[in-house]
Amino acid sequence: GENVEQHPSTLSVQEGDSAVIKCTYSDSASNYFPWYKQELGKRPQLIIDIRSNVGEKKDQRIAVTLNKTAKHFSLHITETQPEDSAVYFCAPGAGTALIFGKGTTLSVSS
Amino acid sequence: DVKVTQSSRYLVKRTGEKVFLECVQDMDHENMFWYRQDPGLGLRLIYFSYDVKMKEKGDIPEGYSVSREKKERFSLILESASTNQTSMYLCASSFLGETYEQYFGPGTRLTVT
Repeated sequence: GENVEQHPSTLSVQEGDSAVIKCTYSDSASNYFPWYKQELGKRPQLIIDIRSNVGEKKDQRIAVTLNKTAKHFSLHITETQPEDSAVYFCAPGAGTALIFGKGTTLSVSS
Repeated sequence: DVKVTQSSRYLVKRTGEKVFLECVQDMDHENMFWYRQDPGLGLRLIYFSYDVKMKEKGDIPEGYSVSREKKERFSLILESASTNQTSMYLCASSFLGETYEQYFGPGTRLTVT
């Protein structure tokens, strides 16, 4: 089955810094690459996604880049703010089910 | 606005009890999912369903069963609850097709004593 790994597991940055979280996967059939954000005590929510025919996608301060050859994709957050503090999950998929990574806890201190 | 609701936010049950967790979505989604979330382990898929009366095992189906009698409702059943099933249970739904975005419910924190 699909093996998904996220690095780092925890990340602490100062407000205004950039943050990068990397997700590696094993299933070459994966064709959908989303990132979910889960704030403390809340449900996970999709923040950005990319499909295998696109290399990069941006939405304001967040971006996702995909390297399908190397089987990894990354979440980039620029100009971090305290409200970016949360757990972030990658969840590559091929078909109905997504396989979630173990999560990265991002802490942004002001 | 997508709404996915779960029957309870907190539940305490005794070992050996039969437990029902219910999820309802109002967006006419074909797909529905049950996950459990444990610290350091992320979200692990228990079962999913892509149509009424259809179900597929996820990564950790042992000790669980599911029921989908109506499109909007997906139930997770613990036939005989055990302490190692103490966890946060999250339901999600999505459309069938290319989008794949999953919308999550608020979760049920189940404690088995």
